[in-house]
Amino acid sequence: DVKVTQSSRYLVKRTGEKVFLECVQDMDHENMFWYRQDPGLGLRLIYFSYDVKMKEKGDIPEGYSVSREKKERFSLILESASTNQTSMYLCASSDRGNEKLFFGSGTQLSVL
Amino acid sequence: GESVGLHLPTLSVQEGDNSIINCAYSNSASDYFIWYKQESGKGPQFIIDIRSNMDKRQGQRVTVLLNKTVKHLSLQIAATQPGDSAVYFCAETSPNSGYSTLTFGKGTMLLVSP
Repeated sequence: DVKVTQSSRYLVKRTGEKVFLECVQDMDHENMFWYRQDPGLGLRLIYFSYDVKMKEKGDIPEGYSVSREKKERFSLILESASTNQTSMYLCASSDRGNEKLFFGSGTQLSVL
Repeated sequence: GESVGLHLPTLSVQEGDNSIINCAYSNSASDYFIWYKQESGKGPQFIIDIRSNMDKRQGQRVTVLLNKTVKHLSLQIAATQPGDSAVYFCAETSPNSGYSTLTFGKGTMLLVSP
């Protein structure tokens, strides 16, 4: 089975802190994604990557950046965390040409 | 007061009943659809998918129906069990969506009573 692992289940950070959310997948998938999930808004795509060192903006990239230095790892970076970035963050991966996403368990981030 | 937008549509059923969860989509070019299940505190899990060249697909206790004419998708769960309680999302993609990005619906909460 595909395993997508997110490094933290819960995180609490202060406004203005730099925050790193890490994601690792073990199935050699080319594509990796970061979503945030908020009540009433569903899943919204922040960034995705279809290859090492490649990245594409999703629907809500403002306030975020990403890094993909290795195929199996995709990091989401909040350069200066704000309270409106309190959310559940979900990482996902998929194989090239396959739309089916495999998700991690999520990181619940609270910014105080 | 509370915002209506914060409340998911909810379907409450008794154990053993059949459940039907509906999803409308707007992009007539969408050609691939997936249903995901998300249990509390977990990430979404794949349930079943269907391509636009089909109108029905069956899995284990689940059936997905696609009506392209009215742009409607449904998930039927037979003999619903308490373990089926979760939020269910439909997702779609189209050939012009670029690098396999899915668009997700807002979700429906299924509550199964013993």
